[in-house]
Amino acid sequence: GAVVSQHPSRVICKSGTSVKIECRSLDFQATTMFWYRQFPKQSLMLMATSNEGSKATYEQGVEKDKFLINHASLTLSTLTVTSAHPEDSSFYICSAREERGAGETQYFGPGTRLLVL
Amino acid sequence: QKEVEQNSGPLSVPEGAIASLNCTYSDRGSQSFFWYRQYSGKSPELIMFIYSNGDKEDGRFTAQLNKASQYVSLLIRDSQPSDSATYLCAVGTSYDKVIFGPGTSLSVIP
Repeated sequence: GAVVSQHPSRVICKSGTSVKIECRSLDFQATTMFWYRQFPKQSLMLMATSNEGSKATYEQGVEKDKFLINHASLTLSTLTVTSAHPEDSSFYICSAREERGAGETQYFGPGTRLLVL
Repeated sequence: QKEVEQNSGPLSVPEGAIASLNCTYSDRGSQSFFWYRQYSGKSPELIMFIYSNGDKEDGRFTAQLNKASQYVSLLIRDSQPSDSATYLCAVGTSYDKVIFGPGTSLSVIP
């Protein structure tokens, strides 16, 4: 399957700081990437859809000024958690959509575990 | 009604048995269906995708799709303890969004 990387894998920061998470598709081009958040023992929650060259589409209840998304190229999307607070601590996972032939498939990055102190 | 539903489990099966995981979805226009496996603390990994009615086999895994019943399942033959994980059903909807189910926790007992 296709490979998606995420960096960093783990980050600890102080309350009020901003944290940037990178998502890269390594062996395919992705016009669309997705950002999810997952709390312990809960399912994936889609935060936003990142579209190359255009503004991200945010899900209801997700603050776009809090979670800044930039999809500057066909292989890179970034999520910046601005002025992070302890309640932002979570597992953030990106995925990239590979479109081919009959359909499309999402491949996930390894995730970034954020802890805000 | 939730868009994609799964039994949360946990589903426990003995080693070597067949594990059967089920998923139903609400959008009749859905065209693509996926099964992901997620180990605790890790991100989901794709196991299989299926687009057409019927069965699709890949090694010990078989996905079954019935669009008329809006039902998709995953069978795991000869279950191994390493198969113990949460299995996520995902559906590509007619409005160009992939919706994930809540996941079913599978425990394979040695």
